[in-house]
Amino acid sequence: DTGVSQDPRHKITKRGQNVTFRCDPISEHNRLYWYRQTLGQGPEFLTYFQNEAQLEKSRLLSDRFSAERPKGSFSTLEIQRTEQGDSAMYLCASSLGNPGRLNTGELFFGEGSRLTVL
Amino acid sequence: GQQVMQIPQYQHVQEGEDFTTYCNSSTTLSNIQWYKQRPGGHPVFLIQLVKSGEVKKQKRLTFQFGEAKKNSSLHITATQTTDVGTYFCAGPSSYGKLTFGQGTILTVHP
Repeated sequence: DTGVSQDPRHKITKRGQNVTFRCDPISEHNRLYWYRQTLGQGPEFLTYFQNEAQLEKSRLLSDRFSAERPKGSFSTLEIQRTEQGDSAMYLCASSLGNPGRLNTGELFFGEGSRLTVL
Repeated sequence: GQQVMQIPQYQHVQEGEDFTTYCNSSTTLSNIQWYKQRPGGHPVFLIQLVKSGEVKKQKRLTFQFGEAKKNSSLHITATQTTDVGTYFCAGPSSYGKLTFGQGTILTVHP
């Protein structure tokens, strides 16, 4: 399967613990996005990378959230000191976008990583 | 910042009826994309519109991009139970960031 894969699919953790999600994008895609989605809402932008550079980060994202994309391949999203409000589906997407242009290209989403914070 | 709003939030139809969802942006868009998310699934790309006034069709689905490039619509003719899901529009804001609307949840009663 050459689609976007995310791991783990489900994570249950206790408040205050750290969690890390991994995303493997489609190999030839230069852009990688992280979104958060709660029930009944649209995907909420968290951050995105073009190759290995993190180009934008949502102001809604607290300093407990950090994302990396070493070598422009897979990406990790870490949440430190989790809170119950962090419970959501974390979606990763990749695309082949034109650098410097307002055309993101079609986003291909993974199945998501569902986080439950107790 | 840019806002993308969709109405209605919910739409319940009988199978065979038509369905329309509307998308409005607070800023002019260079392009707009539409996605469908089935219950329990992830968003899947449907189409991208780029030109002012553009109309594109995919079988029973018709997509329009407004003349001012600030609004868009998706119309489904003669809905089927396979059309069930949430339909999102999304527009680019700053370079590379794609902002999604809150979606329209469509249920189809057989």
